[in-house]
Parts: sequence; C-alpha cells; structure tokens
Amino acid sequence: AQSVTQLDSHVSVSEGTPVLLRCNYSSSYSPSLFWYVQHPNKGLQLLLKYTSAATLVKGINGFEAEFKKSETSFHLTKPSAHMSDAAEYFCVVSDWAGTALIFGKGTTLSVSS
Amino acid sequence: DAGITQSPRHKVTETGTPVTLRCHQTENHRYMYWYRQDPGHGLRLIHYSYGVKDTDKGEVSDGYSVSRSKTEDFLLTLESATSSQTSVYFCAIKRDGVNYGYTFGSGTRLTVV
Repeated sequence: AQSVTQLDSHVSVSEGTPVLLRCNYSSSYSPSLFWYVQHPNKGLQLLLKYTSAATLVKGINGFEAEFKKSETSFHLTKPSAHMSDAAEYFCVVSDWAGTALIFGKGTTLSVSS
Repeated sequence: DAGITQSPRHKVTETGTPVTLRCHQTENHRYMYWYRQDPGHGLRLIHYSYGVKDTDKGEVSDGYSVSRSKTEDFLLTLESATSSQTSVYFCAIKRDGVNYGYTFGSGTRLTVV
C-alpha cells in the first residue's frame, strides 16, 4: 500500500532563512508525488509535482523538491522564507492505480520576523 | 481554477438529518473525488468517480453515499448526519495528459450540531 509520512508536524523559521519540509513515501511502484499548500481558511494550491521526469522539481514561489528513490524521500525546500509562506503544507502520493491521492498529515510552517 | 464549484460553502445541520453537497465542474474531466479534511489527518478520500454512474469507495466511506448522473456533477450525501462528520469537504478533479494533476475546489465547511 502507498503511504506518505511528513516527518515534522510543525516547522518554525525566521524570515530570510531556508525552509526544509521533510516527506518520506512508501510505494511499490514509481509514484507521482506532489506538494500542496493551504493558507488559513483557504483551498489547496499545487506547489509542484514529480511524475518520473527530472528528479529536481521546481515549483511556484521559489519552492523546489528533490525525488530521491534510494531514500524514498521528496523533501520540499526554499532558500529564503517569506512571511507569506506561513501555511500548512501537504506531501501527497498518487495511489497505485493513479486514481486518487494519498495525503500526508501536513506540516504547519510558521515564519517569524 | 479548473471551473470547480462547490455548494454550499458553509452549512450547519442537525444530527440525524440528510445533507447533500454538490461539486460542479465545467471541463468534462472523467475523474472526480470527495475528500474530508480534519486536523491532524490531512485529507482523506471518501468516494471517487471515474465516469457517469461509476463510483467507488475511499478510505472513509462509511455514512456517505455519492452519485454522478452527469459528467459535470458529483454529489456527496450524508444519509444521517452525525457530529463526527463535522469537517471541511473538498471536491477534486484529475487532469490527464501533459497537464496531469489534481485540482481542488474551495471546500464546504459542514457543522453537525
């Protein structure tokens, strides 16, 4: 069965410092992986996706993620945090049939000035 | 985005009453999904549809039913609402091809009192 583990439920950074949100996945096949962001009381916005092309994926707002098959990881990074990055982030894997998404439990990112 | 509209956006209902949530899309996508979001759980799949009259259960389908009589509409019904079904409900569609990915609606906040 496919699963996703977000290793930190809460990450706090200072504005201008790097962001690292960690995600490990479990899958018996080559998965599609996504990161979504949700700002307070808002819907979900796609940050980036991996679909077996380049292992380093660039997304919106300066975020990127690297697919590492040997480590079964898909960590999300950003070189310099901005106050507007404060939100909840979800790492997501597609199921084996590619018919639905399986969500991690989320990481809340706090950014202080 | 993707012409997904959820209705209503907010609803308060009493325990034991039936409730129907509607998801409407304007782009003729085959796959549609209903998820619920609860703190600490991320999003969990309730039901999904892969065509008109073709539906299947997700991880948390007990107490819910769905119908899809037209490509553009996917209805979620709580047959007899319970307080444990207080949640935020999201509809999603899957894009295939070069724009592969999933797009979510704005959500319906349901409170069962």
